[in-house]
Amino acid sequence: QSVLTQPPSASGTPGQRVTISCSGSSSNIGSNTVNWYQQLPGTAPKLLIYSNNQRPSGVPDRFSGSKSGTSASLAISGLQSEDEADYYCAAWDDSLNGCWVFGGGTKLTVL
Amino acid sequence: QVQLVQSGAEVKKPGSSVKVSCKASGGTFSSYAISWVRQAPGQGLEWMGGIIPIFGTANYAQKFQGRVTITADESTSTAYMELSSLRSEDTAVYYCARGGVRYFDFQAPLDYWGQGTLVTVSS
Repeated sequence: QSVLTQPPSASGTPGQRVTISCSGSSSNIGSNTVNWYQQLPGTAPKLLIYSNNQRPSGVPDRFSGSKSGTSASLAISGLQSEDEADYYCAAWDDSLNGCWVFGGGTKLTVL
Repeated sequence: QVQLVQSGAEVKKPGSSVKVSCKASGGTFSSYAISWVRQAPGQGLEWMGGIIPIFGTANYAQKFQGRVTITADESTSTAYMELSSLRSEDTAVYYCARGGVRYFDFQAPLDYWGQGTLVTVSS
């Protein structure tokens, strides 16, 4: 059972816009920024969005993030076949000593 | 170009320990937090803990307190994660990752990841 809640799956056709949601609580998303990771099959996760809506160098501007209260979302516009991957949200949780918490992941299928 | 290169796959017996290494190159090792994240087969990501090498201080997830030890050797730019009292549920791919963007901060986003080390626990 993951601390952050994501839908297990999402899908879209090439060129479409899809969004993936991530729900948390006051001790994580409510008080800290959200990062998103993309994991292609058989590879390590890759940082896609940090600090809610910032893109690391090299990440296309088709990817965008937002946060409101204790929820966040990742949007992918102009969907491409190579976007088929697992997507994870993450936030620092202030409870106890503090720790990173992740969503359970969303499998994105490009139809 | 920052690279994190991890040690190879391990097969361990229940009750034993495993130590995985993570060697950094191409960047400033000591000032960034190094985290360890594991992923069981077909499952999501789980943070185990991290260390800021220049301080030598480690921060562990409560779930792994007492069973995991994370250390770092600044002279070789290598971080280590040792997990003891292994059980079958510890079978997973273990990743190291750098907390980049800013120094000295466990809360910095994980911007570079190692290739992963598969640890299999089986009798």
